[in-house]
Amino acid sequence: AVQLVESGGGLVQPGKSLKLSCSASGFTFSSYGMHWIRQGPGKGLDWVAYISNSSGTVYADAVKERFTISRDNAKNTLYLQLNSLKSEDTAIYYCARLGADYWGQGVMVTVSS
Amino acid sequence: DVVLTQTPPTLSATIGQSVSISCRSSQSLLDSDGATYLNWLVQRPGQSPQLLPYSVSNLESGVPNRFSGSGSETDFTLKISGVEAEDLGVYYCMQATHAPLTFGAGTKLELK
Repeated sequence: AVQLVESGGGLVQPGKSLKLSCSASGFTFSSYGMHWIRQGPGKGLDWVAYISNSSGTVYADAVKERFTISRDNAKNTLYLQLNSLKSEDTAIYYCARLGADYWGQGVMVTVSS
Repeated sequence: DVVLTQTPPTLSATIGQSVSISCRSSQSLLDSDGATYLNWLVQRPGQSPQLLPYSVSNLESGVPNRFSGSGSETDFTLKISGVEAEDLGVYYCMQATHAPLTFGAGTKLELK
């Protein structure tokens, strides 16, 4: 069965950094593009970043120049490096497979002093 | 970016009732490959989103057939034929035809 498991969230001060991971199993990870999508407290869903199976990347304007999406196909793992964090980045971060057919359980990132 | 407008924002239903949710797109979601990448998701309380109909009307294995999707171009509908207690949650439409992915604001389904 397809499984996506995020990790690496937590409480961080404004301006600091955090790295999220998403461990994938149950499918050929290297063949699929992957998304990071976030959900602020009590809010809807916002796309954050996408990486293709050939590692081409696209970012939402709100995170461009601050966040970096990457992947390690040998480890079946997707990453999101979050730098220069702001309070408005506080959210649950989900990884999702291309087409959003499978989602992880999400990981909470709280940016607060 | 494509704007998806969902109505109604809140829906109250009794068990067994059939309900519909509308999703209207600011531009056509028909892709140059002939597919229409409009998906429906449900987020049950405390859970991550789960896929319901994808590409307008296709159901993944395991999705109950009381969920059905229809529509084309800019107007789409999710129908639940016979609401069950486990269906409460927030329903989102989502498009993947045009970058970036965008989502509707959600429709909260409550049980009467």
